[in-house]
Amino acid sequence: NAGVMQNPRHLVRRRGQEARLRCSPVKGHSHVYWYRQLPEEGLKFMVYLQKENIIDESGMPKERFSAEFPKEGPSILRIQQVVRGDSAAYFCASSPPSTGELFFGEGSRLTVL
Amino acid sequence: GNSVTQMEGPVTLSEEAFLTINCTYTATGYPSLFWYVQYPGEGLQLLLKATKADDKGSNKGFEATYRKETTSFHLEKGSVQVSDSAVYFCALSDVNDYKLSFGAGTTVTVRA
Repeated sequence: NAGVMQNPRHLVRRRGQEARLRCSPVKGHSHVYWYRQLPEEGLKFMVYLQKENIIDESGMPKERFSAEFPKEGPSILRIQQVVRGDSAAYFCASSPPSTGELFFGEGSRLTVL
Repeated sequence: GNSVTQMEGPVTLSEEAFLTINCTYTATGYPSLFWYVQYPGEGLQLLLKATKADDKGSNKGFEATYRKETTSFHLEKGSVQVSDSAVYFCALSDVNDYKLSFGAGTTVTVRA
């Protein structure tokens, strides 16, 4: 009975590189959400996706960040040309179509050197 | 905008002690309020919720009451166990339940 699976759990990148974070939702869940937790802060909403559609990206930085949830495969959060300020824990959550309850993964911790 | 402020940790308690984690919020309108818990090595999971003023959410011996007059949603448990050791997050949502605003989290360690 797998929950939300995120990988990698830890990722280290140098400034200017790209970071790709993957999220496999709970089986049967068609809605995926990404949150970011900066050091000493609470989680902040970034984006809400359904299969092949971005529903709400109001929390996404305007540049360098993108997210997708393709028909097949995991959801991907992509950060281009990373900067030190991107260092954070990135949490993915999923929910079934019928209820609003979110199920979160363990998070992926990105460190930018 | 919406924000949540919760008690800073870490909190260390002995088994069977009383636990309170304070949470206050700022929001426009009438938000729903949540407590999430993250056990070691796991993802966040919903612990309890309340959707309107004076509602009490409860689960696994934990309780929290939605207090509109003090804009608070404090989490309490009368007798903690070692298995309650975790990080606890207070959160709110107003228009959409998926767009949660979280507090910074409080780490609780219960010693045998």
